[in-house]
Amino acid sequence: EIVLTQSPGTLSLSPGERATLSCRASQSVSSSYLAWYQQKPGQAPRLLIYGASSRATDIPDRFSGSGSGTDFTLTISRLEPEDFAVYYCQQYGRSSWTFGQGTKVEIK
Amino acid sequence: QVQLVQSGAEVKKPGASVKVSCKASGYTFSSYYMNWVRQAPGQGPEWMGMINPSGGSTTYGQKFQGRVTMTRDTSTSTVYMELTGLRSEDTAVYYCARSPIDGVFNWFDPWGQGTLVTVSS
Repeated sequence: EIVLTQSPGTLSLSPGERATLSCRASQSVSSSYLAWYQQKPGQAPRLLIYGASSRATDIPDRFSGSGSGTDFTLTISRLEPEDFAVYYCQQYGRSSWTFGQGTKVEIK
Repeated sequence: QVQLVQSGAEVKKPGASVKVSCKASGYTFSSYYMNWVRQAPGQGPEWMGMINPSGGSTTYGQKFQGRVTMTRDTSTSTVYMELTGLRSEDTAVYYCARSPIDGVFNWFDPWGQGTLVTVSS
């Protein structure tokens, strides 16, 4: 099973600042099968990025994804108040899906 | 619009079974896999398995093999997830989530609203 490790565990930032979230895989992952999700308290996760760098429908362009192989990054260029949440990366490989443990972006 | 609506919260005793439903609407039911994902309190999501609504074939996560069964009813566009031998560690919110069968990319979208399953004596 491919293990995804996200860092940092918590990111304390102010609105307007840039957020950089990391997702590292235990072995190489197909970029086509790497996605990012946002989850707010009491809600289901919401798809943000698929194929490592493609934004999902209605996702603002301040969200961007990059990376390949074992290292992937989600960047939020300028944090809006509604962006404070938990973010998860996800990958598909060998007929199974795995998720990272999440990065919480909190207001500083 | 595409929507997944799940059944309501459940409280079960250890050793019991639970069956959660997920009704799909707004798209061609047989054209997408349906996945089940659970999330324990304060934890990240954990994939349990998926079903192809077209033929009913399933793939289960290794951790859940032998305890989970996923089925579908094409007449009502509903999928079901049954988990047996419940223990306290199974207390979690259970989600269904759609993923593509064909195509270059893979993702989960949308997700159901979640069903809280509490296992307690």
